[in-house]
Amino acid sequence: DQQVKQNSPSLSVQEGRISILNCDYTNSMFDYFLWYKKYPAEGPTFLISISSIKDKNEDGRFTVFLNKSAKHLSLHIVPSQPGDSAVYFCAASALNGQNFVFGPGTRLSVLP
Amino acid sequence: DTEVTQTPKHLVMGMTNKKSLKCEQHMGHRAMYWYKQKAKKPPELMFVYSYEKLSINESVPSRFSPECPNSSLLNLHLHALQPEDSALYLCASSQDRSFGTDTQYFGPGTRLTVL
Repeated sequence: DQQVKQNSPSLSVQEGRISILNCDYTNSMFDYFLWYKKYPAEGPTFLISISSIKDKNEDGRFTVFLNKSAKHLSLHIVPSQPGDSAVYFCAASALNGQNFVFGPGTRLSVLP
Repeated sequence: DTEVTQTPKHLVMGMTNKKSLKCEQHMGHRAMYWYKQKAKKPPELMFVYSYEKLSINESVPSRFSPECPNSSLLNLHLHALQPEDSALYLCASSQDRSFGTDTQYFGPGTRLTVL
């Protein structure tokens, strides 16, 4: 039973446009969410996080939106650059100390 | 500095070999993790150390043996592995698991191949 879902295995976007990566979760105990970026044969790199007391967090080109009632979050990358091409993992955790649960990932390709 | 280092970068071993993976962080983090990642899959948690004590073992076979000699180091001892254990092994650390908003920082991983 997947607690964190990323229903799009892949996404292609033109350079300069907006990339929107989506993530849904089922466990209502989750209250801290993170996005990681991963290149092949490398460890995941932390990008941005958001706690459940917020609905938006922004860091440069990256913005994460959280809709608690819908149990949905999204990562917006504006403008998209070819170097953003990677696999993006959504992860969730809970204040009760439950460990991170990773989604299956979305492969983003930014086309020049 | 959010660096977690792992050695070796690549490792090839036979099923009868004994080898160790090493992980190090100098961020003062008190929680360290081992993950296993197969191709096109998300990382899967194996072990969690909190304040140098093993707090979680996700039903990992005994051929994997973790060790935390001190707060900066984490080892994973390997013995009698199977070819299906071939994967990318990732180490991560975080400040303190007692805080819910606890970001994990990952090392580059060790690519393990078991022949």
